[in-house]
Amino acid sequence: DGGITQSPKYLFRKEGQNVTLSCEQNLNHDAMYWYRQDPGQGLRLIYYSQIVNDFQKGDIAEGYSVSREKKESFPLTVTSAQKNPTAFYLCASSISPDLAQPQHFGDGTRLSIL
Amino acid sequence: GQNIDQPTEMTATEGAIVQINCTYQTSGFNGLFWYQQHAGEAPTFLSYNVLDGLEEKGRFSSFLSRSKGYSYLLLKELQMKDSASYLCAVMDSNYQLIWGAGTKLIIKP
Repeated sequence: DGGITQSPKYLFRKEGQNVTLSCEQNLNHDAMYWYRQDPGQGLRLIYYSQIVNDFQKGDIAEGYSVSREKKESFPLTVTSAQKNPTAFYLCASSISPDLAQPQHFGDGTRLSIL
Repeated sequence: GQNIDQPTEMTATEGAIVQINCTYQTSGFNGLFWYQQHAGEAPTFLSYNVLDGLEEKGRFSSFLSRSKGYSYLLLKELQMKDSASYLCAVMDSNYQLIWGAGTKLIIKP
């Protein structure tokens, strides 16, 4: 079955540590997105990628980094510069970045600070 | 600025009908999406409106008025499994989704 796989489901970060969240899709979608979800707030865009080897900052990119070396993969690194990383992180993809098509989501990664 | 407003929480009774409203102000408009999100899970796509009017899909319907910057999601014959958050999102002129904070719907027997 086609879909988006995020791992791990739960992740704990120590002070000063970088952690990487995995996102893989087999939907052959061009566009991929990373969102952060905090209680009582809408999804906020961290980074997005419209095509392989290209990505753009979203509204809250500070303290995060991404790469898009393969069409299927869009990992997110939460760096030590992100001082408040505790949140639910969602990866999404869509067929094309400039078509009004729905985004499809992975099951999310819940990140907490130790 | 860009803004999406929806009620924080609503309560309804099993078997009844509920309407969840969404108002928006965005830079451009390429359609409005409704998603359902159960606690701790991923959002799942429910509906898309780009033209004014009502789109019906089984027990769920979605309405759009572009001139008023207004949409609603109508859920009929409510079931306990409909207890979830419902997210309204508008696609702006850059094809980016602007998200509301979501409406938590509580269904009581």
